[in-house]
Amino acid sequence: AQTVTQSQPEMSVQEAETVTLSCTYDTSESDYYLFWYKQPPSRQMILVIRQEAYKQQNATENRFSVNFQKAAKSFSLKISDSQLGDAAMYFCAYRSRDDKIIFGKGTRLHILP
Amino acid sequence: DTEVTQTPKHLVMGMTNKKSLKCEQHMGHRAMYWYKQKAKKPPELMFVYSYEKLSINESVPSRFSPECPNSSLLNLHLHALQPEDSALYLCASRPTGDPRETQYFGPGTRLLVL
Repeated sequence: AQTVTQSQPEMSVQEAETVTLSCTYDTSESDYYLFWYKQPPSRQMILVIRQEAYKQQNATENRFSVNFQKAAKSFSLKISDSQLGDAAMYFCAYRSRDDKIIFGKGTRLHILP
Repeated sequence: DTEVTQTPKHLVMGMTNKKSLKCEQHMGHRAMYWYKQKAKKPPELMFVYSYEKLSINESVPSRFSPECPNSSLLNLHLHALQPEDSALYLCASRPTGDPRETQYFGPGTRLLVL
């Protein structure tokens, strides 16, 4: 069975600084998708960024980028130029071939003004 | 229309009540999902519907009964719930044509069982 581990329950970063959230996963599948979701206090889950396992190039979306290390089964999220609106719970997620999404336990990110 | 809507936003029910949660999307997505999320925890998958047929049931108790009457609508019927079923219930949908596509989540229904 697949597992997703986020080892940082909470993190804080100064506004305008850069922060990296870590995620590791375990799977025996070779073809899968990885996602970072953001859930602000209003609780609507929003996709931040996605990565296809077959792609070596790391995904980027504006201020958000990932460091995908397939062999190490690591998928970290880097947020550059942190903004107050980035404060949220961030979930790392793995989608398996049978369309199940497995979420990590989440990292609560605080932005310090 | 690019959103998943859920009604009601909040629901309080007794253990003997019968109620239903509703989820709707008009994006043409043919995969729809129910999740349960307890406070400060990640969402847990309950059910998956693919082309209006139940494809995954994650061993959910029978007091939760899903229904997908058409490609835009997903219901979750609730009966004889327990206080520990109090949670945020999230609906999501996904286009099935592109495997890279992720799920779009609704805002959730916050359920309190007394």
